[in-house]
Amino acid sequence: KAGVTQTPRYLIKTRGQQVTLSCSPISGHRSVSWYQQTPGQGLQFLFEYFSETQRNKGNFPGRFSGRQFSNSRSEMNVSTLELGDSALYLCASSLVGPHYEQYFGPGTRLTVT
Amino acid sequence: SQQGEEDPQALSIQEGENATMNCSYKTSINNLQWYRQNSGRGLVHLILIRSNEREKHSGRLRVTLDTSKKSSSLLITASRAADTASYFCATWGASGTYKYIFGTGTRLKVLA
Repeated sequence: KAGVTQTPRYLIKTRGQQVTLSCSPISGHRSVSWYQQTPGQGLQFLFEYFSETQRNKGNFPGRFSGRQFSNSRSEMNVSTLELGDSALYLCASSLVGPHYEQYFGPGTRLTVT
Repeated sequence: SQQGEEDPQALSIQEGENATMNCSYKTSINNLQWYRQNSGRGLVHLILIRSNEREKHSGRLRVTLDTSKKSSSLLITASRAADTASYFCATWGASGTYKYIFGTGTRLKVLA
């Protein structure tokens, strides 16, 4: 069974731009969660989607948004990028949700200059 | 602030020794999970322990949970160089809140 894939793997953007990251979960998994990982703040939960609905959201500003499609693929969008948005963005899929076993993708390394 | 705080922040041991790392959390939980992250395999789920369980084993891993102290420990026995990684605990809050929070992590280095 193929694992979680994320595209692109690396991205360089300029302050003020917007970016869209993509995540394809493991086949059959309906829950997709997104996380931001930085050296200073560690791993922080952004939001989770289940069957195309956002079920929960972490404490991030509205510039961070997401969506999930009917095939469970998910996208995360960050608008008006700031230098502090530079991070590794991880996507995880699960049969049930992040409160049970999750399978993580390799991440997208975003650098904002 | 982080729900989970791992202790120690960093640990260096010799191959074959046991490694113990601890996690403390602040609110009631439904379950607690441990994850490992290294550059080669990314973030990998290791074990889940429910709030009504006190101990759980998986291969060389032993996890304990003390809900009265709001703490958990992960023991890796007979460590190997391949165990070198960062280890995180993650909690899912109870009481109707659906908050998933990772701890700050313990960086384990196993010396061959």
